[in-house]
Amino acid sequence: AQSVTQLDSQVPVFEEAPVELRCNYSSSVSVYLFWYVQYPNQGLQLLLKYLSGSTLVKGINGFEAEFNKSQTSFHLRKPSVHISDTAEYFCAVSPYAGGTSYGKLTFGQGTILTVHP
Amino acid sequence: ETGVTQTPRHLVMGMTNKKSLKCEQHLGHNAMYWYKQSAKKPLELMFVYSLEERVENNSVPSRFSPECPNSSHLFLHLHTLQPEDSALYLCASSLTLGQGYEQYFGPGTRLTVT
Repeated sequence: AQSVTQLDSQVPVFEEAPVELRCNYSSSVSVYLFWYVQYPNQGLQLLLKYLSGSTLVKGINGFEAEFNKSQTSFHLRKPSVHISDTAEYFCAVSPYAGGTSYGKLTFGQGTILTVHP
Repeated sequence: ETGVTQTPRHLVMGMTNKKSLKCEQHLGHNAMYWYKQSAKKPLELMFVYSLEERVENNSVPSRFSPECPNSSHLFLHLHTLQPEDSALYLCASSLTLGQGYEQYFGPGTRLTVT
């Protein structure tokens, strides 16, 4: 089984400041990793995903994340945030089990990012 | 319309009512999902369908009954709900059920049980 821990439930930050949202996971098998964003009154939207290859993954809206296998982390970063980045962010993992077995997503509890002017 | 749509967006129902949530995806995907999102809790996977066949029922009470008549439509039939069932119910779809495929989410139905 997999579990995901998002270390901060809320992160306040000023506009144009950098931000890091932390995510750690636990799994007995290799995993794929995802970050989703949920804007108010909307569903979740994929920001970026790590499947294989380079451990630094770039996503939409200027976000990037780095996969660290030894620390089982997948932290999300943005060098300069905007007011419009205010939203809830979810880290998720899916087991890599080979073949065509089902890739169930396990989500963290979410981090609310609030960007202040 | 494009993407994943859900109706209604808001629903208030009494504990003795019967209602249904509807989800439609316009992406040509073969897998569909129902999630429950409660405050301060991780998203909970409820049901998974692949090519109209239920793949997973994640220990969901029988007062929730899913239906997938075709790969584009997914329903969640509700009856004799409890106040703790109040939550945002999200539908999602993915190209297939395999690993690593992105799930596309609808905007959700905000359910309040009185």
